[in-house]
Amino acid sequence: DAGVTQSPTHLIKTRGQQVTLRCSPISGHKSVSWYQQVLGQGPQFIFQYYEKEERGRGNFPDRFSARQFPNYSSELNVNALLLGDSALYLCASSLSGQGQNEKLFFGSGTQLSVL
Amino acid sequence: AQSVTQPDIHITVSEGASLELRCNYSYGATPYLFWYVQSPGQGLQLLLKYFSGDTLVQGIKGFEAEFKRSQSSFNLRKPSVHWSDAAEYFCAVGNTGRRALTFGSGTRLQVQP
Repeated sequence: DAGVTQSPTHLIKTRGQQVTLRCSPISGHKSVSWYQQVLGQGPQFIFQYYEKEERGRGNFPDRFSARQFPNYSSELNVNALLLGDSALYLCASSLSGQGQNEKLFFGSGTQLSVL
Repeated sequence: AQSVTQPDIHITVSEGASLELRCNYSYGATPYLFWYVQSPGQGLQLLLKYFSGDTLVQGIKGFEAEFKRSQSSFNLRKPSVHWSDAAEYFCAVGNTGRRALTFGSGTRLQVQP
């Protein structure tokens, strides 16, 4: 079975541009979460979606937005890119996102570089 | 607000030696605690988790962790390290409100032959 897939794997943008990152969860998983991992730090929670609805949001500016589609795939959109947005963006899926004992499965991430 | 502290940024051990990675958390209620491992170019893989019950938790790849409420700690241990264990290790605490994980800053493990 395929794991969590993210695309693209690497991306280079310039300041002020917009970027869209994509994530396909494991088959049967209905919840997707997004995390930002800046070099040398642990991942930071951005969003969680379940059944196309936002169920959680981290402390990120409104430039960050996301959505989930009927097939449970998800997109993370970042507008007006800043140098500080350079990071590894991780997507994680889980069955429902409802319980704390539910296992998260992470993708390999999209490495975004903002120049 | 909850937080996780991993005091050791980088640790080097010899292959075959024992390992202990430290993790301290701050959380108001009974915590949900996790250890993840990240190899270069890879996503995060769950090693083990603690929710309740036995305070000594067994995980994959021969790892274990012990929850100590009095010390607010959840240290990861392995009796004999293998070269393939070289990676970055993250401790995390679950957030019941947002169903999000709060991660520590990680400990990079280097294994010497």
